[in-house]
Amino acid sequence: GESVGLHLPTLSVQEGDNSIINCAYSNSASDYFIWYKQESGKGPQFIIDIRSNMDKRQGQRVTVLLNKTVKHLSLQIAATQPGDSAVYFCAEAQGAQKLVFGQGTRLTINP
Amino acid sequence: DSGVTQTPKHLITATGQRVTLRCSPRSGDLSVYWYQQSLDQGLQFLIQYYNGEERAKGNILERFSAQQFPDLHSELNLSSLELGDSALYFCASSVEGGRQPQHFGDGTRLSIL
Repeated sequence: GESVGLHLPTLSVQEGDNSIINCAYSNSASDYFIWYKQESGKGPQFIIDIRSNMDKRQGQRVTVLLNKTVKHLSLQIAATQPGDSAVYFCAEAQGAQKLVFGQGTRLTINP
Repeated sequence: DSGVTQTPKHLITATGQRVTLRCSPRSGDLSVYWYQQSLDQGLQFLIQYYNGEERAKGNILERFSAQQFPDLHSELNLSSLELGDSALYFCASSVEGGRQPQHFGDGTRLSIL
């Protein structure tokens, strides 16, 4: 069936390094993707989105890459900081109405 | 602060009971979405309302229902509660529906004893 998944459930990086969080999707008809950050006790926080007519989009310290050929999405965080520790979710828009979320990747920052 | 307000933050009740969760969307947002987050199922879409009308349904149980009022706030009603209904329930809102960011509240943690 259609699903959005993540390659790794956990990711540990050194403070100051770049982080890359990956996501695979299976519905080739999906045309909108979002990354969310969820900290403990909080709701998902919007980070960045991308439409399928783009390959790359940049925000503040974050970049999302979309590879439609292999149905792969990634989130790059530059110069990772302790405040970046959280669970990161990718989500895929299907039918222009609902988001389908992946299971999430926990990012931990080592000092 | 996303601008989406959910009440209550925590709710503890017993099996068989009924509860109502409330959500106030961001100012100007017409669409409201409800999600359930549990440890084994992740974030699951339940239902969407747009300007008072139901627009999309996900894996919402028949024991659950929702509505959106003229002032655009929404309520999620959960009845005949079971232990497995224990979860975080999130509300999100967006200006319209479709391909745009949804902004989430901080959720209601429901515990069934």
